[in-house]
Amino acid sequence: AQTVTQSQPEMSVQEAETVTLSCTYDTSESDYYLFWYKQPPSRQMILVIRQEAYKQQNATENRFSVNFQKAAKSFSLKISDSQLGDAAMYFCAYRSGGGADGLTFGKGTHLIIQP
Amino acid sequence: DSGVTQTPKHLITATGQRVTLRCSPRSGDLSVYWYQQSLDQGLQFLIQYYNGEERAKGNILERFSAQQFPDLHSELNLSSLELGDSALYFCASSVAQAPGSYEQYFGPGTRLTVT
Repeated sequence: AQTVTQSQPEMSVQEAETVTLSCTYDTSESDYYLFWYKQPPSRQMILVIRQEAYKQQNATENRFSVNFQKAAKSFSLKISDSQLGDAAMYFCAYRSGGGADGLTFGKGTHLIIQP
Repeated sequence: DSGVTQTPKHLITATGQRVTLRCSPRSGDLSVYWYQQSLDQGLQFLIQYYNGEERAKGNILERFSAQQFPDLHSELNLSSLELGDSALYFCASSVAQAPGSYEQYFGPGTRLTVT
């Protein structure tokens, strides 16, 4: 079974600074997808960014980018120019490329933005 | 707004009771997923349906069951409820199933409290 580990229960960053959230995963599969979801206080789950394992290029979405290290099974999220609205729980998630389609989530990192 | 709707928003019931949670996927989405978010277990995948058929099972208890109807809405049935079943239950939908990096769009969740 796949596992996803987020080793930082909580992170704090000053507004406008850059922060990196860590995620590692364990799998024996070669075809899979990785995601970062944001859960603000409203509890809504919002997709931030996704990465296909077969793509070497790191995904980028505006101020959000990932550092995908397939050999190390590492998938970190970098948030640039942090904004107050970025304050939320961030979950790293894994999905198999075929067969079972459910997401496996890490335990989350609570991101605090200091004004 | 993800386009996924869930009813009810909140549900309070007693131990031993049975409840039904309802989910309507985004227009055009054929896959529906159910997830449970609790303090103890974090976010867990329960079950997936694709176009009316069960496709994948996660950590779903035998007391829980689900189905997807011809109009593609889905229901999650929880029976013989225990205090530990208190959680936020999410429904998510996607246009298809694996393979492919199809995004899962989450509904706002149903907060279940078992007293």
